[in-house]
Amino acid sequence: GAVVSQHPSRVICKSGTSVKIECRSLDFQATTMFWYRQFPKQSLMLMATSNEGSKATYEQGVEKDKFLINHASLTLSTLTVTSAHPEDSSFYICSASDPQRPQHFGDGTRLSIL
Amino acid sequence: ILNVEQSPQSLHVQEGDSTNFTCSFPSSNFYALHWYRWETAKSPEALFVMTLNGDEKKKGRISATLNTKEGYSYLYIKGSQPEDSATYLCAFLSSNTGKLIFGQGTTLQVKP
Repeated sequence: GAVVSQHPSRVICKSGTSVKIECRSLDFQATTMFWYRQFPKQSLMLMATSNEGSKATYEQGVEKDKFLINHASLTLSTLTVTSAHPEDSSFYICSASDPQRPQHFGDGTRLSIL
Repeated sequence: ILNVEQSPQSLHVQEGDSTNFTCSFPSSNFYALHWYRWETAKSPEALFVMTLNGDEKKKGRISATLNTKEGYSYLYIKGSQPEDSATYLCAFLSSNTGKLIFGQGTTLQVKP
């Protein structure tokens, strides 16, 4: 069974809406979770590393005010796309585990901004 | 910029065929190489984590080899079955950054 649960799986909303995506580790504690984005025909690109109880670490070129990450507990990290625009339409997926270990991925969220 | 390349981008084979594809990655600052299988509408599933040069790992009909000196890994599938149809991702873990860098994936379609 899935060890990382991500939802929603699909979101379609109007430009200007803020969208929250949840990533939960179901049967283990995740001090670190990772948020990736994938554009069509491209590879998974790391957006940020979510650290429980502290600020997220963002990759170069990712706006922290645009993509708000909260990791308030050992089992939940949230990514909020604030005031989303069509260019934010993408596939977003989270994972958990130490990078040295196999990653447990969520099912991903397909975000479409009209 | 660290680059991880996978080839081919897509592959169509007949049931029973054996197949292989390549992941190339930087030969410096190597820590580990991950392989994942990603079926449509599911989450990526870990196949192998490889760390040592010359490593060969096997899981059923799927095996992988690793050459860290020249920066490549091969994934082999023996006697492909329709249920092997998926996108296969490799990811390079740099000892420098501690982050996974993914290739674009190879999409395999096995026809019955």
